[in-house]
Parts: sequence; C-alpha cells; structure tokens
Amino acid sequence: DQQVKQNSPSLSVQEGRISILNCDYTNSMFDYFLWYKKYPAEGPTFLISISSIKDKNEDGRFTVFLNKSAKHLSLHIVPSQPGDSAVYFCAARGRETSGSRLTFGEGTQLTVNP
Amino acid sequence: KAGVTQTPRYLIKTRGQQVTLSCSPISGHRSVSWYQQTPGQGLQFLFEYFSETQRNKGNFPGRFSGRQFSNSRSEMNVSTLELGDSALYLCASSRDGTSVYEQYFGPGTRLTVT
Repeated sequence: DQQVKQNSPSLSVQEGRISILNCDYTNSMFDYFLWYKKYPAEGPTFLISISSIKDKNEDGRFTVFLNKSAKHLSLHIVPSQPGDSAVYFCAARGRETSGSRLTFGEGTQLTVNP
Repeated sequence: KAGVTQTPRYLIKTRGQQVTLSCSPISGHRSVSWYQQTPGQGLQFLFEYFSETQRNKGNFPGRFSGRQFSNSRSEMNVSTLELGDSALYLCASSRDGTSVYEQYFGPGTRLTVT
C-alpha cells in the first residue's frame, strides 16, 4: 500500500509565481516529513522538513505546511525560479522506526518556465 | 568532503543473471540505506545496514540481498534478475541513521534488465 502519495505527476508554473506541491499520507505514526529535490543523473537532495508537532516550517523561498487532521502536507516555493525545475519527493519517517528508513511518494516533476 | 559514490553508474543485464551494486558512503558515515526508484512508484526502501548489520528491511523478495563491510562500504545483490528489476538503485548514507536530515544520496546505478 502506498502510504505516501503525490497525486500530481507534474506541475508547470511561470517564473516568479508560486509553486505548490502536495502530498498525502495515511500512516498516523509518521513523525517527520521531508521534501527532497532530484535533478536528472543525481541523487535526491534534502530540501526542507517538518516535525509532526509543527504545522509550518520556512526556509528562504521554501515553506512546508502540515495539516495533521487531513494527513496532508504541501511545499510552497515563492518565487519560483527556472533552477527549481526538478522532481520533488515527499518522504516520511515512522515514529516506531529505528534507523533512517523513509517512505517516499511517487514524485512530482516541477517545471518552471522563464 | 567526498559524497556518496555508487558503482557502476549504468548496467545492462539479461533475465536470470545476477548483479552486484556497490555503494561507498561519506567518510565517517556508518549507516547505508538502499532504495529502488521506478517510474510511478517513487523510491521504495530495500534495506539499511549499520555497523555491518542489517537494521531495517523493506518488502522485497529474497532475491534482493545486501551486506556491509567493516569500512562501511555496502553492496547489494540481486539474483535471478527479472524485467521488473529494471530501475534506478540509490544508496544513502548517514552518520548513524538516527537523523533523517543527514541522509545523503548517491547518484544511483541505472540497471536495465533485457
């Protein structure tokens, strides 16, 4: 079963506008949520995270929002830049997990047009 | 410092063969995790090794196995290859596997099974 889902395989936005990437989860035992960015021929790189005890975390142009009641999180990128074009993965860690095991979503290809 | 390296970067094998992939973690990192990335499935967790011991295991058949050496380098082996094993195999290293923020991914090995 897919415990972390990203329902939009792709998203296209104009440079300077806001990009909103969404992620839904089903496991209430997840305690940390992370967003990774992946360029072609490279491994995913950590972007931003949020603990389940918070509802918002901000880092520069990137903000992650967590709605625990809806089991939904979103990543906002403002303003979007062409260099942000990449695949974005949402990931989660289970509270009961020892070690670094993460559950990933399917990914969303973001394209920022100049 | 040097990042996570994976060898080989590309591999073509035939159904029924076996394959061994290698991952060298960042110096000082003792935890190595392996993921399989296929289109539409995102990253699926295979297993994690810490101090030469398998600490976590995902839901993959026994054809997928791994090991870790005393220098923290890790190998994963897939026996009796199937067409569905074609994927990008990513490894990630972290210092001790307890901080999800400090997990660094390698560029991956692209395996094609024909």
